[in-house]
Amino acid sequence: DAKTTQPNSMESNEEEPVHLPCNHSTISGTDYIHWYRQLPSQGPEYVIHGLTSNVNNRMASLAIAEDRKSSTLILHRATLRDAAVYYCILRVNAGGTSYGKLTFGQGTILTVHP
Amino acid sequence: GAVVSQHPSRVICKSGTSVKIECRSLDFQATTMFWYRQFPKQSLMLMATSNEGSKATYEQGVEKDKFLINHASLTLSTLTVTSAHPEDSSFYICSASWDTPNTEAFFGQGTRLTVV
Repeated sequence: DAKTTQPNSMESNEEEPVHLPCNHSTISGTDYIHWYRQLPSQGPEYVIHGLTSNVNNRMASLAIAEDRKSSTLILHRATLRDAAVYYCILRVNAGGTSYGKLTFGQGTILTVHP
Repeated sequence: GAVVSQHPSRVICKSGTSVKIECRSLDFQATTMFWYRQFPKQSLMLMATSNEGSKATYEQGVEKDKFLINHASLTLSTLTVTSAHPEDSSFYICSASWDTPNTEAFFGQGTRLTVV
């Protein structure tokens, strides 16, 4: 499976922007970049995904490097509720039922200070 | 968006007994569901792929006779931990998605299993 690399932890202050980086140098041309987050004692929650172009939704923005070997999840104004583990995952275009099979790395623990 | 619901959210059982965890996709038909296990302070590890109407596919190192998976309908997959032992205590999470990488995966809220 294509692998991603993220910093173990990051910290932010409330209402400040947060940029969470992810390296995926072995990404193939048809792999989608997905981001999920997990709050304590909960299942993961979808945040955003993209292929080549930058993406925005109500939760966050995703900036994808031109060579697609890295991406950055941007939380525009962090809140205390954004404190979670953030996972950057490549959804591999391998065909069939493997699309839903996600390989989780260690993720980035985001701490938000009031 | 679609919702995946797990039940129960937490369960305590005695060593040697079996526990069943249900995973339901509430508003879409999931031909495939996935079961993950997460130990404290670790990431999610895929255990098996649950296929509607056929046998589940287990990841390497996961005992199929211990973790029984049944996917009898397009909206329900169950995971039964048989003859549970304390080392099976973990957070079990199911997920479902459409079969295309350009869509999000949906996760249940997880089941905290404690074997005493």
